[in-house]
Amino acid sequence: GQSLEQPSEVTAVEGAIVQINCTYQTSGFYGLSWYQQHDGGAPTFLSYNALDGLEETGRFSSFLSRSDSYGYLLLQELQMKDSASYFCAVKGNQGGKLIFGQGTELSVKP
Amino acid sequence: GAGVSQSPSNKVTEKGKDVELRCDPISGHTALYWYRQSLGQGLEFLIYFQGNSAPDKSGLPSDRFSAERTGGSVSTLTIQRTQQEDSAVYLCASSLVGGGAFNEQFFGPGTRLTVL
Repeated sequence: GQSLEQPSEVTAVEGAIVQINCTYQTSGFYGLSWYQQHDGGAPTFLSYNALDGLEETGRFSSFLSRSDSYGYLLLQELQMKDSASYFCAVKGNQGGKLIFGQGTELSVKP
Repeated sequence: GAGVSQSPSNKVTEKGKDVELRCDPISGHTALYWYRQSLGQGLEFLIYFQGNSAPDKSGLPSDRFSAERTGGSVSTLTIQRTQQEDSAVYLCASSLVGGGAFNEQFFGPGTRLTVL
């Protein structure tokens, strides 16, 4: 089968750095994406990695190791507004379909 | 339009009734996707359209579920003879194209379906 595993919840304080890990097992792999979803809202795109290494976008960075079937999202200088659920997702074939993990609920405390 | 829109935002129905959910993608986006999200869970892929064709319907859970897309734009997801386990948020997304290299998917706000 196809599965993605990520921690169900993470708690951190404002200003801190947090890393959300994702391991995947899929029949195909065309890249790993990260999406953010605030309570009751639409998921919004954060980052994408197709090749090994680190991609940086402002306070957010994402890393991929294809040999380890592993990636992570790194959030720096945490703010209260970063409290949300974060989903990793694999593009499993050329058709565009995304396979999502169960999500990590991040709580940022003052 | 400015973003992906979906209607209705909420739908309460009785078990056994049929429901139709609508999605208006971002203008010019050729790819459209339907996902389902149960409370506290990840998104479950249902179907993918490229233009008006659906090359990947692998996520539709049963033959009670169907979807169509017309004019390369609006899509309708139909659930016949609804069951309580169909209760979930149904999310639509669109992207510029579907295949090949990465294409960011833009999600709508979803339709919350409750089957009593």
